[in-house]
Amino acid sequence: GNSVTQMEGPVTLSEEAFLTINCTYTATGYPSLFWYVQYPGEGLQLLLKATKADDKGSNKGFEATYRKETTSFHLEKGSVQVSDSAVYFCALRGTSNTGKLIFGQGTTLQVKP
Amino acid sequence: GAVVSQHPSRVICKSGTSVKIECRSLDFQATTMFWYRQFPKQSLMLMATSNEGSKATYEQGVEKDKFLINHASLTLSTLTVTSAHPEDSSFYICSARDLRQLNTEAFFGQGTRLTVV
Repeated sequence: GNSVTQMEGPVTLSEEAFLTINCTYTATGYPSLFWYVQYPGEGLQLLLKATKADDKGSNKGFEATYRKETTSFHLEKGSVQVSDSAVYFCALRGTSNTGKLIFGQGTTLQVKP
Repeated sequence: GAVVSQHPSRVICKSGTSVKIECRSLDFQATTMFWYRQFPKQSLMLMATSNEGSKATYEQGVEKDKFLINHASLTLSTLTVTSAHPEDSSFYICSARDLRQLNTEAFFGQGTRLTVV
């Protein structure tokens, strides 16, 4: 079945450091890929997405490229801020028409001033 | 962006009682709503998928008689945790999507923190 694997956290960085959170997936066909962010005590917000191979999703300085050959969708940001501290979830939506998302285990990011 | 409102945000109930959680799409029609459960420091586990006007489809291992889902309108779905026990304490999150709109994504509610004492 479909699955998503993320690097384990927590990830602790200093402000303005470079961020990479690895995400790999297993799926048949061509799933859509997503990154969601969850701030403390809140629900999930869509951060970015990519729907086909080689697409790059970007938002708020975050980027991720859909790599079919390596089945990856790593999240990157060139310079993190304290306000980026949150839990980040990689997710995929398969090619069936149910619309359901499969989530990775989440990676906690803590950015220190 | 679209708004999904989930209520209550926090609830504490006694063991053996039932709790109802509401999920409303405020500015769009949700043909499909998803209910997730999140344990501390863990990922979201899909519990069930509900389509408006029909019975919910539960994921393997989820007790449908314990977690009652109703999706009677295009803007409201409810999850009722029946005869709650401490092990049901968790963070429950709903998401809503209009599957008729192919280029839109699911939007998530704020979540409900359930504590059963």
